[in-house]
Amino acid sequence: GAVVSQHPSRVICKSGTSVKIECRSLDFQATTMFWYRQFPKQSLMLMATSNEGSKATYEQGVEKDKFLINHASLTLSTLTVTSAHPEDSSFYICSVTGQGLYSGNIQYFGAGTRLSVL
Amino acid sequence: QKEVEQNSGPLSVPEGAIASLNCTYSDRVSQSFFWYRQYSGKSPELIMSIYSNGDKEDGRFTAQLNKASQYVSLLIRDSQPSDSATYLCAVLTASGTYKYIFGTGTRLKVLA
Repeated sequence: GAVVSQHPSRVICKSGTSVKIECRSLDFQATTMFWYRQFPKQSLMLMATSNEGSKATYEQGVEKDKFLINHASLTLSTLTVTSAHPEDSSFYICSVTGQGLYSGNIQYFGAGTRLSVL
Repeated sequence: QKEVEQNSGPLSVPEGAIASLNCTYSDRVSQSFFWYRQYSGKSPELIMSIYSNGDKEDGRFTAQLNKASQYVSLLIRDSQPSDSATYLCAVLTASGTYKYIFGTGTRLKVLA
């Protein structure tokens, strides 16, 4: 399957700081990237859908000014958690879908980023 | 009604047995269905995708889809302790926006 690189894998930060998470599609053109959040013992919750070159579409209840998403190229999307607070502590996972070799609407996931806000 | 429903488990099966995981969905026009496995602390990994009614086999895994009943299942034959994980069912929405809806997952325990 497609190779998706997500960095960093773990972040510990102080309350009020901003954290940037990168998601890279290494071997195919990711026309769409998704950002999920997962709390302990819960399923994945979609935060936003990101299409290259356009604004992200946020799910209801997700603050777009707090979770800034940029999908500047077909291989890179970033999620910035601005002014992070302890309640933002969670497991953030990106995924990609795209055209070409890896198609069939299959979604490939990055390894995830565990954010802990003190 | 939740869009994608799974029994949360845990489902416990002895090593070597068949594990049967079930999933129902509410969007009747959905066409793409996926099973992912997620180990604790890790991100999901794709096991199977299925798009047509019937069975699809890949090694020890068989996915079954019944669109009329809005039901998709995953069978794991010869279950191994390494299969112990949470199994997530995902459905690609066909109405409205393009996104994947996940069930809450079924936790599987394979007992050695």
